[in-house]
Amino acid sequence: DTEVTQTPKHLVMGMTNKKSLKCEQHMGHRAMYWYKQKAKKPPELMFVYSYEKLSINESVPSRFSPECPNSSLLNLHLHALQPEDSALYLCASSPGTSEQETQYFGPGTRLLVL
Amino acid sequence: QKEVEQNSGPLSVPEGAIASLNCTYSDRGSQSFFWYRQYSGKSPELIMSIYSNGDKEDGRFTAQLNKASQYVSLLIRDSQPSDSATYLCAVIYNQGGKLIFGQGTELSVKP
Repeated sequence: DTEVTQTPKHLVMGMTNKKSLKCEQHMGHRAMYWYKQKAKKPPELMFVYSYEKLSINESVPSRFSPECPNSSLLNLHLHALQPEDSALYLCASSPGTSEQETQYFGPGTRLLVL
Repeated sequence: QKEVEQNSGPLSVPEGAIASLNCTYSDRGSQSFFWYRQYSGKSPELIMSIYSNGDKEDGRFTAQLNKASQYVSLLIRDSQPSDSATYLCAVIYNQGGKLIFGQGTELSVKP
C-alpha cells in the first residue's frame, strides 16, 4: 500500500482566513514533504520533515507553517495568504531521506485564495 | 544551481508507437533518478526509478541512464491514448530528500 491521503481536496479561503491542510500516511515512512505546484509547472519543494523534525525549509514565507504531530501526520497551517498562493499543494512521503528513497505523492489539495 | 532539463513538448505519437522522453541534469554527483507521470488535475505518480547506468525495464516502460553524459530517458513501447499525460523527470541531489523536477514533457498519444 503506497497511499498518502490529503484533506481537504479543495479549499477556498479569503486573505484573512486561517486554514489547515492535512496529510496522512500509514506506510511507516519517516520522511514527509510539502510541495507547491502551479499550473503547467513542476512541483516545488517547500518543507521536509525527517523523523518528525523539520529538516528543510526552502525559504517559504511565514504565512505557511508546517507541523508534524507524529510520524504519520503532516499539517500545513495557512494564514494571511495572497492570491498568488493559489496552487495545488502536494504532500509526499518516503521511507527516509537517503538518496534512493522514492517519494510517493498524495492526491493534493487545490487551494484558491480570494 | 542544480538543474534538470526536459523538452516541454508537446510530444505527439501515434497509438502503438514508441514514445521517447529525454532528460538531462547538471550535477554529476546525482545518484537517483525518477520518472513520474502526471495526468491533468492529478498528482504525480511514480513510473520508474533508476540508480545505475544502463537500462531498467518494467512492462512497457524502459528507463535508461547514462551518468557520463548526465542523461536519463524513458521509453514507452506500444503507446496507448491512456499514456497521454505530462512526464516529469526528477533527480535527488545528495541526501536530505530534496527532489528536483524538470519542467515536464507533455505526451499526446493519438488513436
